[in-house]
Parts: sequence; structure tokens; C-alpha cells
Amino acid sequence: LAKTTQPISMDSYEGQEVNITCSHNNIATNDYITWYQQFPSQGPRFIIQGYKTKVTNEVASLFIPADRKSSTLSLPRVSLSDTAVYYCLVGDWDNQGGKLIFGQGTELSVKP
Amino acid sequence: DAGVTQSPTHLIKTRGQQVTLRCSPKSGHDTVSWYQQALGQGPQFIFQYYEEEERQRGNFPDRFSGHQFPNYSSELNVNALLLGDSALYLCASRGLDRNSYEQYFGPGTRLTVT
Repeated sequence: LAKTTQPISMDSYEGQEVNITCSHNNIATNDYITWYQQFPSQGPRFIIQGYKTKVTNEVASLFIPADRKSSTLSLPRVSLSDTAVYYCLVGDWDNQGGKLIFGQGTELSVKP
Repeated sequence: DAGVTQSPTHLIKTRGQQVTLRCSPKSGHDTVSWYQQALGQGPQFIFQYYEEEERQRGNFPDRFSGHQFPNYSSELNVNALLLGDSALYLCASRGLDRNSYEQYFGPGTRLTVT
């Protein structure tokens, strides 16, 4: 399973764009990149998933370069409610099924 | 449409006791996974149930066992509790659409072992 590395913490201010980069140097051909968000005392929540290039939904964008060795989660115009831990996961979900491997995550703190 | 529900919300047990945690998956979901999350750490995969059988297992001792019922709900049992078992226990469900990798997590059960 590909190991991921992401910053332990990040600070931002309301209204700014936040980019969280995740490194996954040994990503395999069949691996997808998925991001989850977790608020204190709650279960993680799926944000976005991608395989290559760019994926965008109503919450975030995910940028994946051609070599796929890293990915960047972009949160546009963050608010205080975006303060949470963000996890980058890499895996072959077809073969792993429900087994998600979480790392330490990035604790994002949004200040007024 | 109810999401994933877990019970109880909080639980306090004594070392050596046994505990059972319960999970009802999101409507229409047939696969349930359990995770343990220690304070300040990411969730750790315990095991997954599908069609009432354990399909995958993480690096957890046999003291951790589970069950899935015909209605897809699931239980997590932990025997001979240790202080280190204190954690947030999360249940996640996955739907019938195997092209979707999104999993839905419940709010968790906070277990404290004293």
C-alpha cells in the first residue's frame, strides 16, 4: 500500500484559498487518491477522489500531476467551519474493498 | 434517509470487561467496516463485514471480533479490555455501487477503559 506524507498542521484565514499537498511516491498504477475531512468527535467525511489530472466538485478541487507522486487538495475561500483534519488516502479500492488506510492527517485551523 | 448510526454514544468500562458496540449502515449499504481511532491519530482499520462474513482484517488481536446480521447491521465485540482500548470506535458503510469508493462513517462510540 502506498504511504502518504502530508503536513501535520496548517493555518489559514477566512476567505483564503487553502492548498494541502500530499506526497505518495510509491503510488501504484491501480491506486486512486481520496481525501476525507474529519471534525472533532465525528466520523470522517468523504470529500473528493481522483486518479489523474484535475477533479472538481462543489466542495473542493483535487490536482494530480502526470507522475501521480503527489496530489493537492484545494479548498476555495475557506470559512471557520472548514477547521478540521484532512486525510489523504491512496489505494486500489477495487482490491482493498472497504479497507481505508489513514495516516496522521493535516490539521487545518482557519482563523477569523 | 438515515445515515450510519452507532450505539451507544459513550461507554465506560473497567479493565478486563467485555463490550459490544453496534452499527446500522446507511440505507441500501451492505458492507460494514470498523475502525479504531486513538486520540490524535487517524482511524485504524479493524475489520470489514460483507454477506455476514469477515472479509478483511487489520492488525488487531483476536480479542476484537464482530458479527453482521441479515439486515446488514453489525456488532463489534472486544473481550478482556485493556486501558489501551480506550478510543473512538467508528463504523463505516459502503453501498452496492462498486464503482463508488465513498464510505460513510457514523459518529462513533467513545469507549473509555478505566
